[in-house]
Amino acid sequence: DTAVSQTPKYLVTQMGNDKSIKCEQNLGHDTMYWYKQDSKKFLKIMFSYNNKELIINETVPNRFSPKSPDKAHLNLHINSLELGDSAVYFCASSQSGSYNSPLHFGNGTRLTVT
Amino acid sequence: DAKTTQPTSMDCAEGRAANLPCNHSTISGNEYVYWYRQIHSQGPQYIIHGLKNNETNEMASLIITEDRKSSTLILPHATLRDTAVYYCIVRPDQIYNQGGKLIFGQGTELSVKP
Repeated sequence: DTAVSQTPKYLVTQMGNDKSIKCEQNLGHDTMYWYKQDSKKFLKIMFSYNNKELIINETVPNRFSPKSPDKAHLNLHINSLELGDSAVYFCASSQSGSYNSPLHFGNGTRLTVT
Repeated sequence: DAKTTQPTSMDCAEGRAANLPCNHSTISGNEYVYWYRQIHSQGPQYIIHGLKNNETNEMASLIITEDRKSSTLILPHATLRDTAVYYCIVRPDQIYNQGGKLIFGQGTELSVKP
């Protein structure tokens, strides 16, 4: 009965490959996010989507392309993977317009680029 | 966005109250104080949030000083499972916060010891 689920949990790939991470939420929220947590454990926002519309793009390289087919899904596609992309990627969701709806996070996808 | 300052690490004995402080001296009137925690290898977990008044839920209590420049998260009876990094975050009201993002700092690493 997971609220925010991400797949895969682990992803190991080589430099130059293209990969996707999927995220789904069953909370009925209309806003979804991608966060990146690097080796130093800092959590940084990458993207925010509201009703399938991109709201925040925090100067993320063009190689990262989020796609939101519907309000419940936000996928992250990464082209031409680089060593520096190795990190844990977290998806989250919240409800806009309601009284400061907290963000609910998934358990992350650990991406390792070799 | 207002900045928060937290101790890097703290210890607490199992069964005792854990009091985690946070300074947010530049907080403005429309900004809420949020607390999240991240247990090893999991996604950030929402704990509690507040604006001016003290708040309590099944997980914790949040005490905000009258001038709102600091707050304390209280875990009344800490258990070993409460060992985690605790993040204090100041977040503008959603009407001023495009996309509703949360900005994470370094947090406090709380170790609950037997």
